[in-house]
Amino acid sequence: ETGVTQSPTHLIKTRGQQVTLRCSSQSGHNTVSWYQQALGQGPQFIFQYYREEENGRGNFPPRFSGLQFPNYSSELNVNALELDDSALYLCASSLTRTDTQYFGPGTRLTVL
Amino acid sequence: AQSVTQLDSQVPVFEEAPVELRCNYSSSVSVYLFWYVQYPNQGLQLLLKYLSGSTLVESINGFEAEFNKSQTSFHLRKPSVHISDTAEYFCAVSDLPFNNNDMRFGAGTRLTVKP
Repeated sequence: ETGVTQSPTHLIKTRGQQVTLRCSSQSGHNTVSWYQQALGQGPQFIFQYYREEENGRGNFPPRFSGLQFPNYSSELNVNALELDDSALYLCASSLTRTDTQYFGPGTRLTVL
Repeated sequence: AQSVTQLDSQVPVFEEAPVELRCNYSSSVSVYLFWYVQYPNQGLQLLLKYLSGSTLVESINGFEAEFNKSQTSFHLRKPSVHISDTAEYFCAVSDLPFNNNDMRFGAGTRLTVKP
C-alpha cells in the first residue's frame, strides 16, 4: 500500500509568483487536508477536500486555493507569493472525514 | 475552538532515561487527542491517539499517553528513551467527532536524546 506522496520536495520562488503543490492520497482515502508549517511552529490547517468539494477552511487568504481530482489526488495553489509563505506544506489524507489523518513528507517552499 | 499548549519547546535527556512531554488542551465537551512525531526532513507520523475508552493509550514503540479530563492534559511518556527517539513531537486536538477538518497542533517539543 502506497502512503501519501507529495511533489516537488523542494521549491524556490520569488515574491509575486504563483506555485502549485501536488499530493497523492493514500489508496482508498477520499479526504485530503493541507497544512502550512512555518519554521519552529506546528502545522496550521489551510483547507480540506472531501470527494472533490472543499470541506472547511482555516484562516488563510483567498490566494490560497485548492483542487481535488476524481482519483482524490489534490493540488494546493498559492498566488502572489509573499515572503511569509515560506514554509513546509504538508498534505494529509484520511479514509473519510472522520478518520485519522496520515501525512506526506511535505514540500519545502522558499520565497525569495 | 480547541487549542493546544505544549509546555516545553525543548527536552534534552540522556539515553535510557525516562521522559515526559507535556500537552494541555482547552476545555470542551468532547475532545479527540493525538501525538504525532516528525523526524528531521520528514512529514508527521501518527504516534498514538485517544478517541474514547481507556484513558491510557500506547504506541508500538514504547510511548504511552494518558488522557486526564480533570487536568485537561494528554502528556506523552516513555520509561526509557533511545537515541532514535530524537525528533519533534506534536500534540494535536480535534473537537468534532464527525469531521476531522479542525485539527489544531501545538508548537511542538524537540526531544533530544544524548548518549
